[in-house]
Amino acid sequence: KQEVTQIPAALSVPEGENLVLNCSFTDSAIYNLQWFRQDPGKGLTSLLLIQSSQREQTSGRLNASLDKSSGRSTLYIAASQPGDSATYLCAVEDNFNKFYFGSGTKLNVKP
Amino acid sequence: NAGVTQTPKFQVLKTGQSMTLQCAQDMNHEYMSWYRQDPGMGLRLIHYSVGAGITDQGEVPNGYNVSRSTTEDFPLRLLSAAPSQTSVYFCASSKRGHSGVVNTEAFFGQGTRLTVV
Repeated sequence: KQEVTQIPAALSVPEGENLVLNCSFTDSAIYNLQWFRQDPGKGLTSLLLIQSSQREQTSGRLNASLDKSSGRSTLYIAASQPGDSATYLCAVEDNFNKFYFGSGTKLNVKP
Repeated sequence: NAGVTQTPKFQVLKTGQSMTLQCAQDMNHEYMSWYRQDPGMGLRLIHYSVGAGITDQGEVPNGYNVSRSTTEDFPLRLLSAAPSQTSVYFCASSKRGHSGVVNTEAFFGQGTRLTVV
């Protein structure tokens, strides 16, 4: 059974810092990996999707990498802003259309 | 585009009552799924569907039923609610991941907060 782990569970940084969120998964037979953002009381918004054949994806200040063989992904946020405060979740999709989520990293960016 | 619409947003049930959580999408996505989110546990897959007429169980299916009569709708039924089903429920849709389809970005509804007393 696929297990997805996110470290750290919570992170507090001052505005302007660059930061890295980590995601690991136990079964490397994945279809793709997605990073999501969740604001309190809201649904999830997809930030980046990395196909299993790709190594990284970039969108604005966000960069996600994937090392499928080692079962790891990182989300890099450059020049963090208070508006980045949210919970970030990673999810892997297996080859049978099932998604497995980590429990998330709660990020607080202090002004 | 409305995206993924869930109703209701909040619901309180008594133990033993039944109810249906509604989910509709207008993006013509083949894949739809239901999750529950509990504190500290992330999202867990309840049931999913890869197209109209096809459903399958996820990680935590017990106590829940689904059907998929149309591409747009994927309702989740609780037949006899239990306090352990108190949770936030999310519906999601995406293109189906299969040969030749690689962009399976998932779109989520706003969630239904269910309390069973």
